[in-house]
Amino acid sequence: QSALTQPASVSGSPGQSITISCTGTSSDVGGYNYVSWYQQHPAKAPKLMIFDVSKRPSGVSNRFSGSKSGNTASLTISGLQAEDEADYYCSSYTSSNTFVVFGGGTKLTVL
Amino acid sequence: EVQLVQSGAEVKKPGESLRISCKGSGYSFTTYWISWVRQMPGKGLEWMGRIDPSDSYTNYSPSFQGHVSISADKSISTAYLQWSSLKASDTAMYYCAKTSSSAEVDYWGQGTLVTVSS
Repeated sequence: QSALTQPASVSGSPGQSITISCTGTSSDVGGYNYVSWYQQHPAKAPKLMIFDVSKRPSGVSNRFSGSKSGNTASLTISGLQAEDEADYYCSSYTSSNTFVVFGGGTKLTVL
Repeated sequence: EVQLVQSGAEVKKPGESLRISCKGSGYSFTTYWISWVRQMPGKGLEWMGRIDPSDSYTNYSPSFQGHVSISADKSISTAYLQWSSLKASDTAMYYCAKTSSSAEVDYWGQGTLVTVSS
């Protein structure tokens, strides 16, 4: 069982928006603004898409945005494109001795 | 350009030892932590542990403590993940990752596939 809870799958049509949730506790997501999101295409290494809840690394499309409310963080992808089809993982700093916790991952299907 | 280049795929038998490597370049290797992340076939990402290359301080996820060892040689900007006795359940892709103090990973290695089979 992963420390952070994500839906197993989400789907959307090209041009639509989707949101992926990531629920933790006050020891991780709720307690710190250190939530990150990663995109992973099949047989590829993960890629950082969002860090510090809502910041985008250079080169990441502004169609990707992040937010947080309480113990739940969210990744929103607007204007869905076929290339967005991938697995998405959230992670958070945690005050436990684990330091980093990941979500179980969400498979995004672009219909 | 920041790069983390990992050693190649390994096929081992249960009980054998193994060390895989991760060489960093394009940034100050001693300024950022290196984490190791496991991804079992068809499964999600699991954080295993991290090392501060400046002083080799480590901390491990309880799930991996005692089963793996993380080390680094800052003179050659290389981090290592080591097993003394592999199990079939260690079969997975292993990624090294440049990690900030706020836990985001901004660069990942290409991954090292470890297969443990008799």
